[in-house]
Amino acid sequence: NAGVTQTPKFQVLKTGQSMTLQCAQDMNHNSMYWYRQDPGMGLRLIYYSASEGTTDKGEVPNGYNVSRLNKREFSLRLESAAPSQTSVYFCASKLNRGGYTEAFFGQGTRLTVV
Amino acid sequence: QQQVKQSPQSLIVQKGGISIINCAYENTAFDYFPWYQQFPGKGPALLIAIRPDVSEKKEGRFTISFNKSAKQFSLHIMDSQPGDSATYFCAASPSRGGADGLTFGKGTHLIIQP
Repeated sequence: NAGVTQTPKFQVLKTGQSMTLQCAQDMNHNSMYWYRQDPGMGLRLIYYSASEGTTDKGEVPNGYNVSRLNKREFSLRLESAAPSQTSVYFCASKLNRGGYTEAFFGQGTRLTVV
Repeated sequence: QQQVKQSPQSLIVQKGGISIINCAYENTAFDYFPWYQQFPGKGPALLIAIRPDVSEKKEGRFTISFNKSAKQFSLHIMDSQPGDSATYFCAASPSRGGADGLTFGKGTHLIIQP
C-alpha cells in the first residue's frame, strides 16, 4: 500500500525550462492537492481537484498548471520555470465524505531552478 | 492575508517537559483543525485533529485545546521526548463539501533536548 507517490524526488531546472511533477494515489480518494513548502512560509495550496475532471486554483496558482488525468493521478506542470519556483512540492489526497477527513501527503519533490 | 497564525516559530524544550504551540485563525468558516507533524525529508503526517464542538481532544501525550470564541487552538505535548523533535503545522479548513484544501500555519520547529 504505497499511499501517495510523487516523482521525481529531486530535480534541477534551468530558468525557462518546463517540467511536470507526477502524483499518484492508490487509496481511491476523490480529492487531490498540490502544495509548495518554503522556509518560514508553511505549506501553501497551489491547485486542487475535488474530483476527476475538475480543478480549482488555490492560494498561489500563478506559473503552474494542473491535470487530473484520472482518479489516481494529478500532475503539476511548470511551463517556464523561474527561480521563485524553487521549493519543495507536496501532493496530497483525501476522501471526501462531508469533511473531517485526513489528508495524506507524499514524500515531496525538491525542485531547484537556477 | 495570513489566515492561520502560528507561534512560536521555533521552540526548545527539555526532555520530559511540556511543549506548547499556539495557533489563531480568522476565517469563521473554518471548522476542522488538524495538526500535522513533519520529519526532515518527509511529507507532513496527521498527528491529531479537533472539531469546534469540543474544547479539548487528547490522544496519548498529545492534546489539542480549542477556544472557539477567541478563535484560537493549541497543541500540548506532555512528557516531550527527543523523538518528538520535528516541525509541527497547525491547519484549518471548512468542512462544507469536504474538498477545500487545508490552510496551514507557518510551522514550529520543535527541538527536544535530552
